[in-house]
Amino acid sequence: EDQVTQSPEALRLQEGESSSLNCSYTVSGLRGLFWYRQDPGKGPEFLFTLYSAGEEKEKERLKATLTKKESFLHITAPKPEDSATYLCAVQAVTNFGNEKLTFGTGTRLTIIP
Amino acid sequence: NAGVTQTPKFQVLKTGQSMTLQCAQDMNHNSMYWYRQDPGMGLRLIYYSASEGTTDKGEVPNGYNVSRLNKREFSLRLESAAPSQTSVYFCASSEWSSGNTIYFGEGSWLTVV
Repeated sequence: EDQVTQSPEALRLQEGESSSLNCSYTVSGLRGLFWYRQDPGKGPEFLFTLYSAGEEKEKERLKATLTKKESFLHITAPKPEDSATYLCAVQAVTNFGNEKLTFGTGTRLTIIP
Repeated sequence: NAGVTQTPKFQVLKTGQSMTLQCAQDMNHNSMYWYRQDPGMGLRLIYYSASEGTTDKGEVPNGYNVSRLNKREFSLRLESAAPSQTSVYFCASSEWSSGNTIYFGEGSWLTVV
């Protein structure tokens, strides 16, 4: 069974204080690891997909990295608008058309001005 | 560009009542999904549809039925609502040929009293 564990559950940072969020996973065969951002009262918003160990992707102050067992979402010099819950999910190699995701419970990030 | 649209956004039901959550996507995706999100549980897959005319159970299908009306629309029905079905429901869609990224709607908040 595919499993995703995210840590920490919650993280409070001062504006400009860099840190990392962790996503540990077990999956029978990884097709992709996804990062989403979710604001209160909204649906998850797609950020990145990583497909193989060693891959990195960046978007503004966010950088996602992937190893064979975990992924990190690094946030550099965060701003208050980066406050959100960040969700990690894995997609296993399965039948065509079945691109379902297994999600972690998320990290609630708060950036204090 | 609407993406994935869900209705209603909020609903209160009495135990035993029935209702249908509607979902439509305008991205010409083949695959569609229904997830529920509960505190501390993460997003869990209820049902998915790999293509028009097919549906399959996900992780938590009990108490729900789905209909893939056409390529655009995928509805979720609660035949006899129970308090345990109080949750936030998200519809989503994806396309194999577009990198498998799953795009979510804004959510439907359902309370069963």
